[in-house]
Amino acid sequence: DAGITQSPRYKITETGRQVTLMCHQTWSHSYMFWYRQDLGHGLRLIYYSAAADITDKGEVPDGYVVSRSKTENFPLTLESATRSQTSVYFCASSASGRGNIQYFGAGTRLSVL
Amino acid sequence: AQRVTQPEKLLSVFKGAPVELKCNYSYSGSPELFWYVQYSRQRLQLLLRHISRESIKGFTADLNKGETSFHLKKPFAQEEDSAMYYCALKHNYGQNFVFGPGTRLSVLP
Repeated sequence: DAGITQSPRYKITETGRQVTLMCHQTWSHSYMFWYRQDLGHGLRLIYYSAAADITDKGEVPDGYVVSRSKTENFPLTLESATRSQTSVYFCASSASGRGNIQYFGAGTRLSVL
Repeated sequence: AQRVTQPEKLLSVFKGAPVELKCNYSYSGSPELFWYVQYSRQRLQLLLRHISRESIKGFTADLNKGETSFHLKKPFAQEEDSAMYYCALKHNYGQNFVFGPGTRLSVLP
């Protein structure tokens, strides 16, 4: 679905550099999420946001920063990238309410050298 | 604590054989359970959810609260079913999901 887009799709960076992964959705969903996908761990929640200017930590937030100044955008920043942050990152969004599902972006494959 | 387990990392079956992907959960309350699928080089997408009690692409899943399970089944596997399957639990408050580690299904010709 073009409704939620991530950029870049691929990124190579070096240890210690700052990296920002972008996520944009066009559905006006109130909730947005960032996950990382690693073999053996599945999807782990990094941060989520229930609305603009409201964010909260997930399962693995250390080393990451998020912001949500606008409903449609939810960037994820690695302030000082480490090799352990090499992963595939997925953004997702959801409307509020029981029965609503999460819709996922295509993912960003990040390699930290 | 909420937890979803999928005991099989990899499951290989032959085309036409039945397939069952196991999912167990721990949650104190009435969870919503989902199966998401990720085909090669594609994004995760919803396969089915327990509240809909539907069959999608021949797959079904029944919520068994006594056994805290939500196993995914298909009577006759197809090669195009080869993918990564994630079981997920949604809290009954908010919109957060807890995902299992995933099972890679490989359907052999």
